[in-house]
Amino acid sequence: AQSVAQPEDQVNVAEGNPLTVKCTYSVSGNPYLFWYVQYPNRGLQFLLKYITGDNLVKGSYGFEAEFNKSQTSFHLKKPSALVSDSALYFCAVRDGRSNYQLIWGAGTKLIIKP
Amino acid sequence: SAVISQKPSRDICQRGTSLTIQCQVDSQVTMMFWYRQQPGQSLTLIATANQGSEATYESGFVIDKFPISRPNLTFSTLTVSNMSPEDSSIYLCSAVQGTRGNTEAFFGQGTRLTVV
Repeated sequence: AQSVAQPEDQVNVAEGNPLTVKCTYSVSGNPYLFWYVQYPNRGLQFLLKYITGDNLVKGSYGFEAEFNKSQTSFHLKKPSALVSDSALYFCAVRDGRSNYQLIWGAGTKLIIKP
Repeated sequence: SAVISQKPSRDICQRGTSLTIQCQVDSQVTMMFWYRQQPGQSLTLIATANQGSEATYESGFVIDKFPISRPNLTFSTLTVSNMSPEDSSIYLCSAVQGTRGNTEAFFGQGTRLTVV
């Protein structure tokens, strides 16, 4: 069965430090991987995606993610965290044969402390 | 990407009544979806809204409770019928443009529903 795991409910990082939000996945075909961010009382905003090619993907707001096929992971990273990055982050996956439906992770709450 | 206008943004409703949520996209989209989300939790897919035909519902969701319309390529509605407090949640509209599976979905701002 297809699944996405975000093993950390919450990640705490000091402002200015690098951050990582973890995501691992399980799909039967080639995956399309996505990260979204949700600020309080808002809808989800697309950050970045992996389709194919370079394993390091760059996205919005200085975020990037590294695709690792052998570890079936797609961790979200940022070199220097901002307080404004505090939000709920979701990893999602779609396999190449799906009808556009996404499989969602449970979400990780990112808290950046000044 | 296109922009989804979802309304109402929030509502407080009496149990036993119904609420219709509307989503309007500013350009044509291939697929539209409706999700439910408890605050701080993940998304649960309710159904895929099919243009000109009946929606495709996920396990645990039925048309009588969540009737969905999609009369054209830019508009969809979700009705939450005969509401109970258990229906209190955030409802999200989502859409995808293009015909390739690698296309990202985009979302409306959500409707926060409280049933009293």
